[in-house]
Amino acid sequence: GAGVSQSPSNKVTEKGKDVELRCDPISGHTALYWYRQSLGQGLEFLIYFQGNSAPDKSGLPSDRFSAERTGGSVSTLTIQRTQQEDSAVYLCASRPTSGGHNEQFFGPGTRLTVL
Amino acid sequence: QQPVQSPQAVILREGEDAVINCSSSKALYSVHWYRQKHGEAPVFLMILLKGGEQKGHEKISASFNEKKQQSSLYLTASQLSYSGTYFCGTAAYSGAGSYQLTFGKGTKLSVIP
Repeated sequence: GAGVSQSPSNKVTEKGKDVELRCDPISGHTALYWYRQSLGQGLEFLIYFQGNSAPDKSGLPSDRFSAERTGGSVSTLTIQRTQQEDSAVYLCASRPTSGGHNEQFFGPGTRLTVL
Repeated sequence: QQPVQSPQAVILREGEDAVINCSSSKALYSVHWYRQKHGEAPVFLMILLKGGEQKGHEKISASFNEKKQQSSLYLTASQLSYSGTYFCGTAAYSGAGSYQLTFGKGTKLSVIP
């Protein structure tokens, strides 16, 4: 079946512009995560959605970052007034439920470059 | 709280063994191990549930000691294909029936001929 998909795969933008990154999780997966990975670094947690519960936004680095998940499926990560330090690969992942025994499936990522 | 992985990096010759450790300050329900190759998304290796179980995948196995809140990944007779960055993810109860999965910073493994 289809895995997690993300779009665009690459995004180059100018400093100060807004960008939207999209994630389509695996159908039926209720848990959805966004991570940021800078070159050669680990997975930095950004935000977590679980079903209809309020999202865990504790990882968002600033108020320029926001995310929403519509209808419990597709999610959009928005970065306003982008800065050069926002350049990174943004990974989305989904899990069937939020149970601790569930594997997490990652999408291919969106590589964001802010000039 | 992010789990701590050690070592940060290791270089092996083909056929050598390695151990990667992951420890957490939180009570854990499970530990997940993922491998990420350069330019690719992380790929699932295995999950260990509390109970001290061990699992294996190819010549890669892992153990989980929930009392010590630690897990170790064992790579035996390493192959070139094992190169990549290994991440542990720890699942801890976060309330309302949910388990938050938090990843360590990763261990970069390089296997050379």
